[in-house]
Amino acid sequence: NAGVTQTPKFQVLKTGQSMTLQCAQDMNHNSMYWYRQDPGMGLRLIYYSASEGTTDKGEVPNGYNVSRLNKREFSLRLESAAPSQTSVYFCATQSGQSNQPQHFGDGTRLSIL
Amino acid sequence: RKEVEQDPGPFNVPEGATVAFNCTYSNSASQSFFWYRQDCRKEPKLLMSVYSSGNEDGRFTAQLNRASQYISLLIRDSKLSDSATYLCVVIPGGSYIPTFGRGTSLIVHP
Repeated sequence: NAGVTQTPKFQVLKTGQSMTLQCAQDMNHNSMYWYRQDPGMGLRLIYYSASEGTTDKGEVPNGYNVSRLNKREFSLRLESAAPSQTSVYFCATQSGQSNQPQHFGDGTRLSIL
Repeated sequence: RKEVEQDPGPFNVPEGATVAFNCTYSNSASQSFFWYRQDCRKEPKLLMSVYSSGNEDGRFTAQLNRASQYISLLIRDSKLSDSATYLCVVIPGGSYIPTFGRGTSLIVHP
């Protein structure tokens, strides 16, 4: 019963490199989200997917792209990594009903040199 | 005014103390409310939902005051293991985009 699984757990990149963060859920939830969390900033929404086949920008989408591959998987791509994207990235899911809470993966710690 | 505001703390309390946190929200259309706990460098984990009539889960009690637009979390008989950051979360009616507070840090010392 994995819940929400994020890979990788840690990654170090050089400026300009690209990479994709993966998120998979076995909770049969409709909605999926990507957040970043920086010290003193709280959680900030990057992109979300209300349901399979749809994606929308959140608060801080610049420099990122997403793909909702199927109901289970929602990936986040950094095309050309910048040091400002050094952060902890969390994927979250929610059933799709607004009165239900989100459930989080255990995060990807990304450093860009 | 931020949509969801929390006192960042830290609240530094001895074991056994009772401590309370408040969280104010600005969107009067908010319908769903939650408290999460986040340990250092870990993911947020749901602590409890907050219901209109108030609700209790062991040592934890959550309250909602719609008129004044705030929710509260009361922790009784604090344990060392309660040391964490507590995030309040608010979701407007009909939306699935939650707004997170920045969290209140709690440190329980022996």
